[in-house]
Amino acid sequence: DARVTQTPRHKVTEMGQEVTMRCQPILGHNTVFWYRQTMMQGLELLAYFRNRAPLDDSGMPKDRFSAEMPDATLATLKIQPSEPRDSAVYFCASRDRVPGELFFGEGSRLTVL
Amino acid sequence: QQQVKQSPQSLIVQKGGISIINCAYENTAFDYFPWYQQFPGKGPALLIAIRPDVSEKKEGRFTISFNKSAKQFSLHIMDSQPGDSATYFCAASMGGDDKIIFGKGTRLHILP
Repeated sequence: DARVTQTPRHKVTEMGQEVTMRCQPILGHNTVFWYRQTMMQGLELLAYFRNRAPLDDSGMPKDRFSAEMPDATLATLKIQPSEPRDSAVYFCASRDRVPGELFFGEGSRLTVL
Repeated sequence: QQQVKQSPQSLIVQKGGISIINCAYENTAFDYFPWYQQFPGKGPALLIAIRPDVSEKKEGRFTISFNKSAKQFSLHIMDSQPGDSATYFCAASMGGDDKIIFGKGTRLHILP
């Protein structure tokens, strides 16, 4: 069945290293979101794309985070350099219409030592 | 104005009881209010959603009650079961806007 696929599921890295998380949205969904989940802040919207065009990345720390969608089947979220405060679960979600159900991936759990 | 405030942060309910989670919003332009359910190690999944033109929506044991004048909405889980133990998020969005604003979540634990 159709689902959002995220890789890696778990990542442990050291402070200062580059981290890249990948997402394959559901085929046909034209809007893709990146969320970050922490105990303190809950689900925070980092960035989103419609038809591969970035529409809003105001939730991202601009100096270290970047999000791209090189094609309709791949969205990436990159952190460089990573910091311990970036430790969280990062979720990708996709949707085909507004409003409508967001379909979330299972997340990428990032730990920065 | 863009916030959705959710309470309580955590909730413990006996099996068979009623679980109630509350949310409040400020922005009257919001017109779509979904609830998402998240199990450990999984992403959130849509549970039930409501528009402000109705005061209640029921799907099985799950009911959303909506109070437009008070700008509040709540999730009721009737006959709560251990399998309902999860984190629940309320959310809101406005017409034509892609963004969905989430509450901070409620961790629900149903005692067997």
